[in-house]
Amino acid sequence: EPEVTQTPSHQVTQMGQEVILRCVPISNHLYFYWYRQILGQKVEFLVSFYNNEISEKSEIFDDQFSVERPDGSNFTLKIRSTKLEDSAMYFCASRGRRTGNTGELFFGEGSRLTVL
Amino acid sequence: QQQVKQSPQSLIVQKGGIPIINCAYENTAFDYFPWYQQFPGKGPALLIAIRPDVSEKKEGRFTISFNKSAKQFSLHIMDSQPGDSATYFCAARRDNTGKLIFGQGTTLQVKP
Repeated sequence: EPEVTQTPSHQVTQMGQEVILRCVPISNHLYFYWYRQILGQKVEFLVSFYNNEISEKSEIFDDQFSVERPDGSNFTLKIRSTKLEDSAMYFCASRGRRTGNTGELFFGEGSRLTVL
Repeated sequence: QQQVKQSPQSLIVQKGGIPIINCAYENTAFDYFPWYQQFPGKGPALLIAIRPDVSEKKEGRFTISFNKSAKQFSLHIMDSQPGDSATYFCAARRDNTGKLIFGQGTTLQVKP
């Protein structure tokens, strides 16, 4: 079964450092997303990406965040200067043009970011 | 208006019991209501979803009940099993986008 893969599974970084989280969405999907989940809290939308540009972003997704699809397979989330409050699990998700009749999102297993 | 409120926060049932998790929303523009199941260390996985034009949907042991006028929907798990122990999130979405608004989650424990 096709799946969304994410690397690294866990990254520890010092405050102020840049981190890049990587995702390989399902190969024929067109829409890509990043969500995050602070420990013990709900999953929150960060950004959606379609046709090589951001289609929507949340208020969390400030100037410190950026996304990129550098080639035909990878989708990355960069945090320019990490803060303690960026510590969370970051989930990549992708969606095809249609999946059945629901437009289902497929989530990866997440990248845990710990900022010290 | 963008919130989805979920209750209870946690739930413990005996094997065979029927846990019920409730969600409420405010934005009438939402047109798709999925439930996700999440095991520790894993990403959310779609369990079942409903659109507001139906009042109930069943898939196996999982049933969504939807009350459009009350802006509420709930998940029922029939004949619950210890393997159902997980965190369950309701969510809502509008306009066939991928922007899901998640509830706070319910941690379910099914005791053998």
